[in-house]
Amino acid sequence: AQTVTQSQPEMSVQEAETVTLSCTYDTSESDYYLFWYKQPPSRQMILVIRQEAYKQQNATENRFSVNFQKAAKSFSLKISDSQLGDAAMYFCAYRRVQGGSEKLVFGKGTKLTVNP
Amino acid sequence: GAVVSQHPSWVICKSGTSVKIECRSLDFQATTMFWYRQFPKQSLMLMATSNEGSKATYEQGVEKDKFLINHASLTLSTLTVTSAHPEDSSFYICSARGVGAGSSYEQYFGPGTRLTVT
Repeated sequence: AQTVTQSQPEMSVQEAETVTLSCTYDTSESDYYLFWYKQPPSRQMILVIRQEAYKQQNATENRFSVNFQKAAKSFSLKISDSQLGDAAMYFCAYRRVQGGSEKLVFGKGTKLTVNP
Repeated sequence: GAVVSQHPSWVICKSGTSVKIECRSLDFQATTMFWYRQFPKQSLMLMATSNEGSKATYEQGVEKDKFLINHASLTLSTLTVTSAHPEDSSFYICSARGVGAGSSYEQYFGPGTRLTVT
């Protein structure tokens, strides 16, 4: 079964600095999708970035980038020039497709605090 | 584009009563909708998946008779919590995927519904 592990329950960063959130996953599939979601205090899930496993190039969205290491099954999120609005829970997720059904498997999340 | 709404955003009900939560895709056709449950300071757990016009598929451990899901149209899915008890108090989130959204495989999330059972 696919599992997603976020080993950092909490992280903090100074405003304007860079922080990296870790995520590892377990799968026997060769093609899949990985996501990072942000959940601010409003609890609205917001997609931060996605990565397709067959693409070797790491995804980038403005200040957010990933380090995707397929062989190591690692998918870390780097936030550059951190802003106060980046403070939130961050969830790593794996999209599993099996037998015609699909589901997102989420990690337990990392709470990010941004200090002014 | 790809907006999903939920109603109500917050509901309080008495133990033993039933409550219905609506999930709507506002600008695309949601062929598949997902219902999640999130306890405080925890992650999202998938409860069930529904395809328009078909019966929902429930995850292991989720009582289908307690959590009734109806995906009657391409823009609306409902979750009814029947005979609610305090332990059903939680944050319920829906997501949708479908035609006309930005991505065919990405799930778009609603803002969630906080259910409190007294």
